[in-house]
Amino acid sequence: KQEVTQIPAALSVPEGENLVLNCSFTDSAIYNLQWFRQDPGKGLTSLLLIQSSQREQTSGRLNASLDKSSGRSTLYIAASQPGDSATYLCAVPASGGSYIPTFGRGTSLIVHP
Amino acid sequence: GAGVSQTPSNKVTEKGKYVELRCDPISGHTALYWYRQSLGQGPEFLIYFQGTGAADDSGLPNDRFFAVRPEGSVSTLKIQRTERGDSAVYLCASSLNVGGVTDTQYFGPGTRLTVL
Repeated sequence: KQEVTQIPAALSVPEGENLVLNCSFTDSAIYNLQWFRQDPGKGLTSLLLIQSSQREQTSGRLNASLDKSSGRSTLYIAASQPGDSATYLCAVPASGGSYIPTFGRGTSLIVHP
Repeated sequence: GAGVSQTPSNKVTEKGKYVELRCDPISGHTALYWYRQSLGQGPEFLIYFQGTGAADDSGLPNDRFFAVRPEGSVSTLKIQRTERGDSAVYLCASSLNVGGVTDTQYFGPGTRLTVL
């Protein structure tokens, strides 16, 4: 059974810092990995999707990397802003070629001015 | 609409009652997913549809939970004889094609269910 762990569980930083959020998964036979953002009381918004054949994806100040063999992904946020405050979740297929995503518990991020 | 919508946004009910939660996916999306999210947890898969059929319902916790998507668009999650443990946020997501390597799910805002 796929298990997804996200570290740290919570993070509070001053504005402007560069951040690294970590995601690890136990079954590396995945075809993609996604990072989502969730604002309080809201649904999830997809940030980045990395295919298993890719090493990283970038969108603006966000960069996500994938090391499939070691079962790890990192989300790098450059020059953090208060508007980045949210919970960040990663998701991978439940197992093998499963269509069902398994989510981590997320990292709760607060960026204070 | 432009995104996935869910109604109601909040539902308070009494233990033992029946509830229905509705999801309107993005037009043209064939795949539709239901999840349940408890405080401090990631979304937990319940069921997904490919078109009108439930392709995988292995996440439904017991037979009190049932979902339909009769015309391949709107879906309804039905919970019978609600229990306090059913209290959670129920999220719906849709995607263009289930399981593709570039398949991205688009989530609705969720329905917060409280069972008293």
